[in-house]
Amino acid sequence: SHVLTQPPSVSVAPGKTATIACGGNNIGSKSVHWYQQKPGQAPVLVIYYDSDRPSGIPERFCGSNSGNTATLTISRVEAGDEADYYCQVWDSGTDHYVFGTGTKVTVL
Amino acid sequence: QVQLVESGGGVVQPGGSLRLSCAASGFTFSYYGMHWVRQAPGKGLNWVAFIRYDGTNKYYADSVKGRFTISRDNSTNTLYLQMNTLRPEDTAVYYCAKALRPDSPFDYWGQGTLVTFSS
Repeated sequence: SHVLTQPPSVSVAPGKTATIACGGNNIGSKSVHWYQQKPGQAPVLVIYYDSDRPSGIPERFCGSNSGNTATLTISRVEAGDEADYYCQVWDSGTDHYVFGTGTKVTVL
Repeated sequence: QVQLVESGGGVVQPGGSLRLSCAASGFTFSYYGMHWVRQAPGKGLNWVAFIRYDGTNKYYADSVKGRFTISRDNSTNTLYLQMNTLRPEDTAVYYCAKALRPDSPFDYWGQGTLVTFSS
């Protein structure tokens, strides 16, 4: 089944840009969704179908997907962006859903 | 507004059974596929099972196939997860989440219910 690898942690200063990679074999051929999870809370969808934003998600959150890497970019990072972030795909060949290993974003 | 409320978690012994429920409101439940996702303490998200809007297709993670059964009752807007032959590694918070189609994102999640094991 598909394996999605993320860096365990990313640290970023307020106002700067955080970049979170999600690596997987030919992930560019799949649709990638991203979730934000704050401590003690349920995950929230922040990017879907590679680069679309749900209503209510700031434009600071952007996604891209190509080749073997999908990327979530958070611009002008704020303290409230501190959370765990997970990428996710559907493997249509096995009808299994796969989450990335997760990245903890720390705002310095 | 959309609400997904899980219940049924608790303390269980190895080999035991538990049935989780997820009560849905604020959207047309019978139009949506539904997932169960779990998260072990301090760990990442792991998908458990999916059921299509009409219950005709069900998919399971390899780790639970044959032990867990996902089902739904569209007349009461409720999703279920019957968990049998439970193992200590099944300890987790279990979330239900809705998704329009199999390829759709998990667009809303409940707050979760905790399943733990007695020592």
